[in-house]
Amino acid sequence: QITLKESGPTLVKPTQTLTLTCTCSGFSVDADGLGVGWIRQPPGKALEWLALIFWDDDQRYNPSLKARLTITKDTSKNQVVLTMANMDPMDTGTYFCAHRPPSGGHAWFDFWGQGTLVTVSS
Amino acid sequence: SYVVTQPLSVSVSPGHTATILCSGDALGGKYVSWYQQKAGQSPLLVIYQDTKRPSGVPERFSGSNSGNTATLTISGTQTLDEADYFCQVWDSGTVVFGGGTKLTVL
Repeated sequence: QITLKESGPTLVKPTQTLTLTCTCSGFSVDADGLGVGWIRQPPGKALEWLALIFWDDDQRYNPSLKARLTITKDTSKNQVVLTMANMDPMDTGTYFCAHRPPSGGHAWFDFWGQGTLVTVSS
Repeated sequence: SYVVTQPLSVSVSPGHTATILCSGDALGGKYVSWYQQKAGQSPLLVIYQDTKRPSGVPERFSGSNSGNTATLTISGTQTLDEADYFCQVWDSGTVVFGGGTKLTVL
């Protein structure tokens, strides 16, 4: 079955770069049509999409955060990595990775990881 | 960038029908997905491509999308349906989430 698991630091300091890893199982990150996305959620607030990488390495970013984000995949480890530069306390929240099934020219997320809470504080 | 808007909260009595709206410019021309998120849990996909239910999602969940409004309908609402619900679209190569609606069943 499809599972995703996020890992990374729970605490980062302001101005540091956050690196999160999504370890995927039950599918291959380079299988035709698939994608893996990152979504975050500040405490008590809404979901906010961050980035999405497709099987063919096409990368899409939230325009408001694009300058700070990089998404890549490591097919040998079946992982997707997100880096976010210049972290700020406002970036505190739970970060989820999620599976985007083959869906033509559209995107939705049918499997989600459990999420990892990242706190930004000095 | 594209924006989809949801009401902050909806209340419904058990056994009645809950209707949660998601609005956006020409939304009917896009595919809308809906996610249920219970406290402390990851989101769960309940509707995709406007009207389709993933395997395992109860039949009481249904969706529609026309004009500027998409609707998530929960028929015969149960207390376990109390959760936050988010709509989501794909627009111009980006993913957009609505602000979420808190469904209270009382």
